[in-house]
Amino acid sequence: EAGVTQFPSHSVIEKGQTVTLRCDPISGHDNLYWYRRVMGKEIKFLLHFVKESKQDESGMPNNRFLAERTGGTYSTLKVQPAELEDSGVYFCASSRSGVPYEQYFGPGTRLTVT
Amino acid sequence: KNEVEQSPQNLTAQEGEFITINCSYSVGISALHWLQQHPGGGIVSLFMLSSGKKKHGRLIATINIQEKHSSLHITASHPRDSAVYICAVRMDSNYQLIWGAGTKLIIKP
Repeated sequence: EAGVTQFPSHSVIEKGQTVTLRCDPISGHDNLYWYRRVMGKEIKFLLHFVKESKQDESGMPNNRFLAERTGGTYSTLKVQPAELEDSGVYFCASSRSGVPYEQYFGPGTRLTVT
Repeated sequence: KNEVEQSPQNLTAQEGEFITINCSYSVGISALHWLQQHPGGGIVSLFMLSSGKKKHGRLIATINIQEKHSSLHITASHPRDSAVYICAVRMDSNYQLIWGAGTKLIIKP
């Protein structure tokens, strides 16, 4: 089966601009997660979708971040307006529904805000 | 203090050596993950554990739930094992993962 894919692989934008990251989970995986690693710190959870619903968005840093998963397939994470501290690597993962199944990770999107 | 602590932070060893990376956590968990990240690469899940021990090739992962501790072992290490190894735990209460800082492993030929 195809793995989790993310687009773009790298994005360089100026402070104040908008960027949209996309994640395509493994087909049939109801659970989709967003994580990020910024400034050499530990990877942090951002949010968790179950199908199209936000199950847990406790890790979203502020209202400049908007995640959607229309139709319960792919997800987008929009940062508007981007700030310097948003630079980092954004990872997406997906897993099957039910018991805590293993999460499969995408390659990540490296975001650089200048 | 982070809820997931890994040691060592950095580890350099010679090819063929037996490698141990440790992970301690302070929260109640339903599962623990060991993951691998190569430079510039994505994250690959190596193991998901809730008890006991798992083995895959030269990799072995163990967990002691009572002591809240897990170890990742690599036998007959090889330069291609060089990567960052990350421990992450899934809390009892939800699906999110709490991540350790990672251990940067370098295996010299």
